[in-house]
Amino acid sequence: SQQGEEDPQALSIQEGENATMNCSYKTSINNLQWYRQNSGRGLVHLILIRSNEREKHSGRLRVTLDTSKKSSSLLITASRAADTASYFCATDSGAGSYQLTFGKGTKLSVIP
Amino acid sequence: DGGITQSPKYLFRKEGQNVTLSCEQNLNHDAMYWYRQDPGQGLRLIYYSQIVNDFQKGDIAEGYSVSREKKESFPLTVTSAQKNPTAFYLCASSGGTGTTGELFFGEGSRLTVL
Repeated sequence: SQQGEEDPQALSIQEGENATMNCSYKTSINNLQWYRQNSGRGLVHLILIRSNEREKHSGRLRVTLDTSKKSSSLLITASRAADTASYFCATDSGAGSYQLTFGKGTKLSVIP
Repeated sequence: DGGITQSPKYLFRKEGQNVTLSCEQNLNHDAMYWYRQDPGQGLRLIYYSQIVNDFQKGDIAEGYSVSREKKESFPLTVTSAQKNPTAFYLCASSGGTGTTGELFFGEGSRLTVL
């Protein structure tokens, strides 16, 4: 079952610009996570935000969570060509659930 | 280095054959997972295991089987009953029991049915 839906599906920006990706979900969550996937590779965890948190930072990454709107955003500041990848949100909807639900991802291209 | 190793990276299968994908982790994690990824799609959960000798079906378990005889290993068998097995398969693990935290992924195995 698809819980998170990322928007936009694809995003192309110039190096140095900021990139914003959004994730919407349908049911209440315990936490929401963002992952990155380079083409043909495995996923790498970026950041986890809990349902009682509104904003979290990690380096050039800023994640916000609005549980009233059931949405989250991932902001990458001062983008670099190496940020080119697909970005996925994943939601944990159950108490102690092992079943994260992933969205379809946003494909980010950063043009040097 | 600690991590998750998947093999083989590429695998070709004839219709009607079973194939087994290997997943080994040295992170001392209790939980392990298998996901399937199709082009332009998110990840769909096939099976997961919270502890040795125990595993649970995910959303798309039909045509797949797993075993968890050792904490470090969680092999996935794609059987001939899986009608559309061509996909990218990802193994993951997470630490601790009873919580869903960060997943650590392997580099994936790409299966193509000829």
